[in-house]
Amino acid sequence: DSGVTQTPKHLITATGQRVTLRCSPRSGDLSVYWYQQSLDQGLQFLIQYYNGEERAKGNILERFSAQQFPDLHSELNLSSLELGDSALYFCASTTGGAHHGYTFGSGTRLTVV
Amino acid sequence: GQNIDQPTEMTATEGAIVQINCTYQTSGFNGLFWYQQHAGEAPTFLSYNVLDGLEEKGRFSSFLSRSKGYSYLLLKELQMKDSASYLCAVRDYGGDKLIFGTGTRLQVFP
Repeated sequence: DSGVTQTPKHLITATGQRVTLRCSPRSGDLSVYWYQQSLDQGLQFLIQYYNGEERAKGNILERFSAQQFPDLHSELNLSSLELGDSALYFCASTTGGAHHGYTFGSGTRLTVV
Repeated sequence: GQNIDQPTEMTATEGAIVQINCTYQTSGFNGLFWYQQHAGEAPTFLSYNVLDGLEEKGRFSSFLSRSKGYSYLLLKELQMKDSASYLCAVRDYGGDKLIFGTGTRLQVFP
């Protein structure tokens, strides 16, 4: 257990639907990062939150949004889903101490049918 | 722009040594990370370099040359369990996010 918790582990939904992915960072970590990993692709940065505020944005689609709550958990909302959104979605957290890296959750596998 | 290049696939024999290279061109640089990822699982942290030179950690070593935009991960005494993807990532200044390469899939054969 890495300490970063993601739910659900698997999600199957139909095109056009909306889903919410949840991430609880490691205790004490203020930053949460969301990544998308499509089949045989690298990790694509989506968005970062730090202590409740959006801090950096990557190539996140307008159909996607995220937020971080006062208890520091984060949610990634994906709407108007398309087949191409099928992927593994990871969140990671860090204290900012680089020598320990960024800790990833086990991911949510989203399948859009 | 951001560009991080790694070989797509490599193969090696159990007990051997393998070097996985990574070259990068990024708008900002605040450290380079290597992660290991088994298929369908979370990436796990292997090493971090921010200054030029070699960092050694057990069977794994990582090297960085900032002037050349180049890093490598060296794996010694390869084991079957080392079969995985190895991801090179650069930390950017903007929000400290990690930018990943597409990863190198390593297969270790007996």
